Amino acid sequence: EVQLVESGGGLVQPGGSLRLSCAASGFTFRSNWMTWVRQAPGKGLEWVANINFDGSETHYVDSVEGRFIISRDNAKNSLYLQMNSLRAEDTAVYYCARLMVLWPPINFDYWGQGNLVTVSS
Amino acid sequence: QSVLTQPPSVSAAPGQKVTISCSGSSSNFENNHVSWYQQLPGPAPKLLIFENSKRPSGIPDRFSGSKSGTSATLAITGLQTEDEADYYCVTWDSSLRAVLFGGGTKLTVL
Repeated sequence: EVQLVESGGGLVQPGGSLRLSCAASGFTFRSNWMTWVRQAPGKGLEWVANINFDGSETHYVDSVEGRFIISRDNAKNSLYLQMNSLRAEDTAVYYCARLMVLWPPINFDYWGQGNLVTVSS
Repeated sequence: QSVLTQPPSVSAAPGQKVTISCSGSSSNFENNHVSWYQQLPGPAPKLLIFENSKRPSGIPDRFSGSKSGTSATLAITGLQTEDEADYYCVTWDSSLRAVLFGGGTKLTVL
């Protein structure tokens, strides 16, 4: 059974940093691109970042480019999102998700339970 | 404001058919597939349709998708109360190298 379990969320002050983790199991982690998607309270879904099989290719939404870093450790079956210079508008539930082996990278077939990040003083 | 445009809400009675539209532009829609997601209140989103019209295993054939030019449509037939959810279209923008979500459509089953 595919499982994605996020951790690392919480309350952080504006300008601060936080690192989200996503532990994957039930599939060959290194065979799939992975992604982070977020949802601000009461708002729609917003894609944040994608990463390819070995971490050599990444894509980001403009609003987080230069502040967030997506990475992965295939030996640990883990996905990460390092979030720096956090702003109030980054407050959201963050989901990690697995991408189907298809192009373009828009088919998220398994999702984690979501992890709340709150940026507030 | 999303680059992909969806109606904010749609509604229909149980057993009826409803369609949800999604419109984009030539830089995203014309050369890329569209996917659709369902988000019930609470849980994480679920992939409903991929590659414009394909259903993952376990998705009933009441859900169907189509795409033409710079627009796509999700159709749901035989509406059930458990279909009440938010629905999102998604595509890829080849020039931005970015995933685009529509703003979402809230389906109410009256």
